[in-house]
Formats: sequence, structure tokens, C-alpha cells
Amino acid sequence: DGGITQSPKYLFRKEGQNVTLSCEQNLNHDAMYWYRQDPGQGLRLIYYSQIVNDFQKGDIAEGYSVSREKKESFPLTVTSAQKNPTAFYLCASVGGDRVNQPQHFGDGTRLSIL
Amino acid sequence: AQSVTQLGSHVSVSEGALVLLRCNYSSSVPPYLFWYVQYPNQGLQLLLKYTSAATLVKGINGFEAEFKKSETSFHLTKPSAHMSDAAEYFCAVSDRPLTGGGNKLTFGTGTQLKVEL
Repeated sequence: DGGITQSPKYLFRKEGQNVTLSCEQNLNHDAMYWYRQDPGQGLRLIYYSQIVNDFQKGDIAEGYSVSREKKESFPLTVTSAQKNPTAFYLCASVGGDRVNQPQHFGDGTRLSIL
Repeated sequence: AQSVTQLGSHVSVSEGALVLLRCNYSSSVPPYLFWYVQYPNQGLQLLLKYTSAATLVKGINGFEAEFKKSETSFHLTKPSAHMSDAAEYFCAVSDRPLTGGGNKLTFGTGTQLKVEL
């Protein structure tokens, strides 16, 4: 079955540490997204990528970095510059170039500070 | 700029009662609208989408939503709530494609639905 796989499901970060969240999709989608979810705030866009080797900042990119070396992979690194990283992180993808296409989501990674 | 407002962060209904979750949007162009459902510690699952073909949209699990341009609303309803409907629901809007493909969704802050016996 096609879908989006996020790993790990739970992740703990120590002070001053960078951590990387994995997102892999086998839907052959060109566009991929990273969202941060905090209680009562909905989903906020961190970064997105429309094609391999290209990505754009979203609304809350500070303290995060991404890469898009392969079409199916879009890892997110939470750097030590992100002072409040505790949140639920969701990866999504969408295919085609039409605005009415729904984004497909992975099951998320919950990041906590040790 | 597009935006979404979901009135009521928490809604509680009895099993078998009508479910009504409110969503109002703001968009400078005709929007495309989506409702997603999220169960605890899971990703978002698409319930239904409005793409201008019909104002009343039917989705999965017995949910439907009606697009009302005059009210800039896209409320989600279900005639009879079931215990399994307890989850968080998000309304999202997309009003233009990104240059080069894909779209950019703006999400509401979500409504937590509780279903009581």
C-alpha cells in the first residue's frame, strides 16, 4: 500500500542536541511538507519542497532545517537553535499541480525534551 | 491572505445526536476547502473536500459539509453521532497553487469532538 512513513514515533532530545525526523513516501508525490502541531494551535507549516533539491521556508522555519535529495524522502532536523521543540511533527505530501488536491499525512513523530 | 476560523475548540454531543462543527474561511479568490479528522497520536485523515463541483459534499463515515459562499462557511455535519467519531477535526483552505506544483493549506485550530453515552 502507498503511504507516508514517519520515524521514529517518539523521540527525545537533550539540550544542545540536533535531532532528525524521517519522512518517506512511496506515493510518487512531488510536493512534501513538514508541520508542527501544538495543542490548540492547529498545524503550522515549517518547510515544504516541491521538487528534489529545492525547498522553501514555511511560517515557522527558524530552528529547523531540511533536505530533499530524493523524491521519496524529506527529513527534518530540529536544531539546538529551536528553543521549544516539544511538539507533534507531521509530514505530508501531495501529487499533481492542482490546488484542489488533498495532502496525505504520515502518523507523526512526537518530540520531547529530556 | 487565506485564513480559517473554527468556532468552538471543544464540542460535546450525545451518541445519536446531530454533530455540527463550524468552519468559516477568508479567501480573496474562490477557495478549495477540506475537512480532516485526527485520532490520538495519529496523522490527519481526509474526510471530504470541496472543489466547486457541488455545494453539498459527502465524505466518509457519514459526514457531509455544505459550502455557503454568502456566509463564507463550510460547516461539517453528521446526522447521528457514534462513539467512534470522538476525535479532533480540522478545517483547511487552499486558494491557489504553488508555483511549480502542490498547494499550501491553511488550517484552523481544530475542534475536539466528544461523544457521550
